[in-house]
Amino acid sequence: GIQVEQSPPDLILQEGANSTLRCNFSDSVNNLQWFHQNPWGQLINLFYIPSGTKQNGRLSATTVATERYSLLYISSSQTTDSGVYFCAVEGQTDSWGKLQFGAGTQVVVTP
Amino acid sequence: GAGVSQSPSNKVTEKGKDVELRCDPISGHTALYWYRQRLGQGLEFLIYFQGNSAPDKSGLPSDRFSAERTGESVSTLTIQRTQQEDSAVYLCAGRGGYTEAFFGQGTRLTVV
Repeated sequence: GIQVEQSPPDLILQEGANSTLRCNFSDSVNNLQWFHQNPWGQLINLFYIPSGTKQNGRLSATTVATERYSLLYISSSQTTDSGVYFCAVEGQTDSWGKLQFGAGTQVVVTP
Repeated sequence: GAGVSQSPSNKVTEKGKDVELRCDPISGHTALYWYRQRLGQGLEFLIYFQGNSAPDKSGLPSDRFSAERTGESVSTLTIQRTQQEDSAVYLCAGRGGYTEAFFGQGTRLTVV
């Protein structure tokens, strides 16, 4: 099945800083999503982005499907951005719809 | 319903007992996923249902684990003869067509 690698594994930011999280995948994809898991464990949808660029407030994401990676940008970080960010992909050669998750990036934003 | 609902929220069981976890997806979501998340770890794929197709069971860790789904509605994940290593949060997600998946709040299972 498809392999998903996220980097960095951990990130500590001062409030107000910008950062970039990366997701690499080993095969062509039909679907790619970014999630934020808050400290209470809830998975929150950030972006559905199999290709192209999207923005939502201080967050934006870009997927370059031909080069098999996606980037999540956090600008002007806030303490509420803390948590784990997961990338999940559906590989074209996997069974249709099967979502594989990366190991996540743990983000801590300090005041 | 408005979102994916999982029950119970928390379950404490004795080692060796069977447990049943429930997931009620968003109406119209033909795809349904179960994942396991151990403390401090990522999401581990367990099983995936898509409409009336045969489920993808490739992630079930042992034959003590099974799941059922009737049509496009409720799904139950059953763990037989629970072990302490089964302690984790079990997450369910639903998805409709070529759209994004939405997760429930999870069931925290503790085996003592």
